Amino acid sequence: GQQLNQSPQSMFIQEGEDVSMNCTSSSIFNTWLWYKQDPGEGPVLLIALYMAGELTSNGRLTAQFGITRKDSFLNISASIPSDVGIYFCAGQSSSGSARQLTFGSGTQLTVLP
Amino acid sequence: DAMVIQNPRYQVTQFGKPVTLSCSQTLNHNVMYWYQQKSSQAPKLLFHYYDKDFNNEADTPDNFQSRRPNTSFCFLDIRSPGLGDAAMYLCATSRKKSPSPQHFGDGTRLSIL
Repeated sequence: GQQLNQSPQSMFIQEGEDVSMNCTSSSIFNTWLWYKQDPGEGPVLLIALYMAGELTSNGRLTAQFGITRKDSFLNISASIPSDVGIYFCAGQSSSGSARQLTFGSGTQLTVLP
Repeated sequence: DAMVIQNPRYQVTQFGKPVTLSCSQTLNHNVMYWYQQKSSQAPKLLFHYYDKDFNNEADTPDNFQSRRPNTSFCFLDIRSPGLGDAAMYLCATSRKKSPSPQHFGDGTRLSIL
C-alpha cells in the first residue's frame, strides 16, 4: 500500500530559528496536505497543494509540492513558541468514492525559548 | 464559523459497555470520516460515508459501527469497547468534488475503565 516517509521524527530548535521538514512517497498523490496537531486537539489544515511544483505560503509557513508528485516539504520561518506541536504531511488520492488520506508519521516540533 | 464539532470531548466508559461518539458539521460536506488515533501515531481511517454510502476499511474491527442520519450528523458506535480501543477519535469532512482537503474536528478522547 501507499506509504509516506516523513522526516525528521522530532526537532528541537531555538525560538527564532527556521525549520524544515519533508515527506516522500513511492506513490503519486493528487493533493498534498500539511496539518498541525496540538496536544488533545484535532489536526488543523495549514497548507493544501494541488499542482506539481506548486509553492504556497501561509504566513511564516511555506510548502512545495514536488514535480514528481511524490514529495513535499514544509518550512517554518522565525519559529515562535506556539509553533510547538506535531506536523503531519498527508497525501490525498482521488481513487474510489472518497478522498483517501495517507498520513506521514509526523514531526514533533519543540521550540526552546 | 463553519466547522466540525465533536461531542463529547472526553468520554469514559467501562469495559464492554457500549458507547456512542457524535460529530456534526456546518460545512455541508458530502463526505464524513471517522479516524482512530493512538498516542504518537498518525490518524487511522476506520470508515467513511460518501453521502449515504457507507465504506468500511478492511481492517476496521466489527466492534466499530457508524450511522449517518443526515448530511450534518455522523455517529461512531463501539459495541463492546475493549482496553485497546482507548484512543482519540477524530471526525473529518470533505466535499465530494475534488480537490477537497479534509477538515477535522477536535476529537473525542475515549478512556476505558
